[in-house]
Amino acid sequence: AQSVAQPEDQVNVAEGNPLTVKCTYSVSGNPYLFWYVQYPNRGLQFLLKYITGDNLVKGSYGFEAEFNKSQTSFHLKKPSALVSDSALYFCAVRATGANNLFFGTGTRLTVIP
Amino acid sequence: EAQVTQNPRYLITVTGKKLTVTCSQNMNHEYMSWYRQDPGLGLRQIYYSMNVEVTDKGDVPEGYKVSRKEKRNFPLILESPSPNQTSLYFCASSLTGVLSGNTIYFGEGSWLTVV
Repeated sequence: AQSVAQPEDQVNVAEGNPLTVKCTYSVSGNPYLFWYVQYPNRGLQFLLKYITGDNLVKGSYGFEAEFNKSQTSFHLKKPSALVSDSALYFCAVRATGANNLFFGTGTRLTVIP
Repeated sequence: EAQVTQNPRYLITVTGKKLTVTCSQNMNHEYMSWYRQDPGLGLRQIYYSMNVEVTDKGDVPEGYKVSRKEKRNFPLILESPSPNQTSLYFCASSLTGVLSGNTIYFGEGSWLTVV
């Protein structure tokens, strides 16, 4: 079985400050990890993924994430938050033995002007 | 433009009245899937399809049907909708699915309310 934990339902950050959205996972075998963002009344947009290789993954809109195998974490980061980054963020992991993504419950990011 | 298109985007229906949510992708993807999103539960997979005429159950298939007669289309059918199927539904597609590390792309979502 697999699990994804996004321990914070809500993250608030001031515009211009660095932001971090946390994700930890549990899965058998090599983890394939993904981050998606959902803007209001929109579908999920792919941000970045880790399959193999460099632990630091760079994605869309200036976001990056660091894969940490020992801590089983894949936190999403951005050096300087924008108000337009305010959205719902989902971490997902390839489900064990299945051609499916298993999602966390989401973290709502609010960037305060 | 590469996209996953689903319709309708918003629907209010009554219990027991059959409905279909259509999904189409223009990326020649083999893999397609349906998810539902509920508050506090994230996204859960309903059904998926690896190719034409190949479908399989996801985590929450009860009360739903799907078909894959053409590569580009993957409709979701609710034969007898019930209020617990009120949810936000997402169609998704991927070249061959996430097993090989391919990205899954999502449609804009369909808000379904069953009264």
